[in-house]
Order: sequence, then C-alpha cells, then structure tokens
Amino acid sequence: GDSVTQMEGPVTLSEEAFLTINCTYTATGYPSLFWYVQYPGEGLQLLLKATKADDKGSNKGFEATYRKETTSFHLEKGSVQVSDSAVYFCASLNAGGTSYGKLTFGQGTILTVHP
Amino acid sequence: EPEVTQTPSHQVTQMGQEVILRCVPISNHLYFYWYRQILGQKVEFLVSFYNNEISEKSEIFDDQFSVERPDGSNFTLKIRSTKLEDSAMYFCASSPGYSNQPQHFGDGTRLSIL
Repeated sequence: GDSVTQMEGPVTLSEEAFLTINCTYTATGYPSLFWYVQYPGEGLQLLLKATKADDKGSNKGFEATYRKETTSFHLEKGSVQVSDSAVYFCASLNAGGTSYGKLTFGQGTILTVHP
Repeated sequence: EPEVTQTPSHQVTQMGQEVILRCVPISNHLYFYWYRQILGQKVEFLVSFYNNEISEKSEIFDDQFSVERPDGSNFTLKIRSTKLEDSAMYFCASSPGYSNQPQHFGDGTRLSIL
C-alpha cells in the first residue's frame, strides 16, 4: 500500500535559519501531496499542496516541489520564525479505483525554533 | 473562514462503555472522514463517507466502529464497547470532493479510556 516517510525529528533551529524537512512517498499511480501543520493544542491545518509532478506548492514562506523522479516532496523555508514551531505532517492522497480520499500520513516532524 | 468543529474536545470513558464523537463538517462539503492518532504514532485513516454510505474503511475500522450522518449537519463516530487501545486523538475531516481535494480537519477529540 501507499506510504509516506518523513525525516526523523525533532528539529531545533534558531530564528532566521533555513529549514528543510524531507518527505518521500511510495504509491501506485500519481498521488496528490500535502503538507499539514499542527500547532500546539490545535488540529491539522493544510499548509500547501501539489497535485502533479513538478508542481510547487507554497504558503506563508514555505515551499515544496513534487518530484516524481525521486518520489519526494521536501518542505523548505528560507527563514524560520519562532511562530513556526509546530508539528509538520507530509501526506499523500491517491484517489481513484477503490480509494475515496484516504490520506496517508508520515510520522510527523516536530520543529522548535528558538529566538 | 468555515471550519470543521468537533465535540467534545476531551472525552473520558470507562472501558467497555460506548462513546459517540461528534463532528460538524463544512457545510458545502460532500465527503467526510475520521482519522485517529495514538500518542506518538502516525495519523491513521479510519473511514470515508459519502452520500450516506461508507466509501472506504481501513482494517482498523472493525465492527466496533460505526459512522452516521443523523441530520444535515452532524457526522458521528460511535465506538461500541471501548478498549484501552482505543485511547487516541480522533480527527474529523471534510472535503468538497475526493480527488485532489484537500481535506479540512477539526481540532480533534482526545479520547481517554480508563
């Protein structure tokens, strides 16, 4: 079945540092890919998405590019802020056939940003 | 911005009891989902629901679980005869469609089984 693997966490950075969180996927067909963020005490919020190869999703300074050749969707941000501290989840959606919107999540990466 | 709401935020239940978790999806969405996250583990898909029927369910979603849309706004997850291992955060989500459509999540219900 489909699976998503994220880099091991937690990740601790200083403010204004560059962030990369790696995500790779395995899937039959061509899934849509998402990054969700979970702030403390809150639910999962969609951060960005990409629906086909070479698409770049972006939001709030975060970016991720759908790379079919490496089956990856790495999350990047050029300059993190303390307010970016949260748990980040990579997810794939392989709708079609017998699948009706089942999201497959990675294990989540805890990001802590210090002033 | 419309959002998915879940109640209660925290539910404590004795083992063996039945529990109902409630969700109000975004009003113009057609697909509804339940996921769960056991502490320290991945978010796992439980079930998807469309047109008053289950569209897809995981192997976790056994006869102990059921879902219902009792009226035009609520979407519920019932767990019969709860077990200790049912303790988890349960998330409800909804989407306008299922293909390439992002799912919008509620804040979750933390279920604690004693």
